[in-house]
Amino acid sequence: SQKIEQNSEALNIQEGKTATLTCNYTNYSPAYLQWYRQDPGRGPVFLLLIRENEKEKRKERLKVTFDTTLKQSLFHITASQPADSATYLCALEGAPRGTYKYIFGTGTRLKVLA
Amino acid sequence: DTGVSQNPRHKITKRGQNVTFRCDPISEHNRLYWYRQTLGQGPEFLTYFQNEAQLEKSRLLSDRFSAERPKGSFSTLEIQRTEQGDSAMYLCASSLDWDRDSEKLFFGSGTQLSVL
Repeated sequence: SQKIEQNSEALNIQEGKTATLTCNYTNYSPAYLQWYRQDPGRGPVFLLLIRENEKEKRKERLKVTFDTTLKQSLFHITASQPADSATYLCALEGAPRGTYKYIFGTGTRLKVLA
Repeated sequence: DTGVSQNPRHKITKRGQNVTFRCDPISEHNRLYWYRQTLGQGPEFLTYFQNEAQLEKSRLLSDRFSAERPKGSFSTLEIQRTEQGDSAMYLCASSLDWDRDSEKLFFGSGTQLSVL
């Protein structure tokens, strides 16, 4: 079955630095991959989607890359701010394609220190 | 657009009792999902609907769990004979299958269940 791995350890960085979060997946080749942000006690909020034919996607201070050979996506937040502190989840569509059933990773907790 | 609404926000129950949660998706969203999330874990897929049809149900879901979406609008998730292991945040999400953002899920704030 599909498996998604995110670094379960919290990531602490200084304000203004670039945060880089990793999402690895196995046993599958998804057509696209998504990133969500989740604050404590709230549901996840969609941030970005990247498709298999896209190497990179940007939105304001966010950048996502997708390496289908390595089966890995990297999520970057540039010029990080304390308000970026949250848990970031990656998700992909489970097999087979077109089912619209989404599998989530465990998430990485990011803390941006002022 | 008022977003996905879930009720109640919190539920405390005794082991063995039945509980029911409600989810109101974004209007016109025809896909509706239920996920379960425990502390430190990502959301775990439970089931989803396209309109009123339940298209898939996780094999991890025991027979004590049942979900309905009778008119293709709101949905209910019922847990019978609750167990302490059912304590979790139950999340509902919706999406629109013909929109160019169809792959994007919109989540509610969840129902936090505590089984004593």
